[in-house]
Amino acid sequence: AQSVDQPDAHVTLSEGASLELRCSYSYSAAPYLFWYVQYPGQSLQFLLKYITGDTVVKGTKGFEAEFRKSNSSFNLKKSPAHWSDSAKYFCALEGWGYQNFYFGKGTSLTVIP
Amino acid sequence: EAAVTQSPRNKVAVTGGKVTLSCNQTNNHNNMYWYRQDTGHGLRLIHYSYGAGSTEKGDIPDGYKASRPSQENFSLILELATPSQTSVYFCASGDLGANTGQLYFGEGSKLTVL
Repeated sequence: AQSVDQPDAHVTLSEGASLELRCSYSYSAAPYLFWYVQYPGQSLQFLLKYITGDTVVKGTKGFEAEFRKSNSSFNLKKSPAHWSDSAKYFCALEGWGYQNFYFGKGTSLTVIP
Repeated sequence: EAAVTQSPRNKVAVTGGKVTLSCNQTNNHNNMYWYRQDTGHGLRLIHYSYGAGSTEKGDIPDGYKASRPSQENFSLILELATPSQTSVYFCASGDLGANTGQLYFGEGSKLTVL
């Protein structure tokens, strides 16, 4: 069965530090992987996606993510972090041919100015 | 710009009452989805649709019905609302696959069932 795990419910760091939000997935075939961001009181916005090819993908707002097949991970990164990055981040997996998304529970990021 | 709009944005209902949440998309996407978001659960799929006239059960369909009368509109119906259905509901549209693979979300509908 497909699943997405975000092991850190909350992450707090200081502005200027490097951020890395963890995501692992379980899927029997090649996955399509995504990161979305939800700012307080708002809806979800697309950040980036991995389909195939390069293991590091770049997205909007200065974010990038690294796909590692060896340990089924798709971690989100940004350096340096800015206070405006404070939000909830969701990792998601699209099942190939299934046309559906599986979301992790999300990681709430707080960047202290 | 892809657009998904939901109504109502806020709704207070009584237990046993009927609630209809509406979603409209101008993206001409085939697929539409209803999710609910609860603390500790992330987003969970309730119903989805591949196109006009089709509805499919998601992971938590019990207590919900869906209707897709047209490409643009997708409704979520709670025939007998219960307090456990208090949540924030998100509608999304997308044509998934290698070339797109992105969902576009509405602003959310906050439902409180008393």
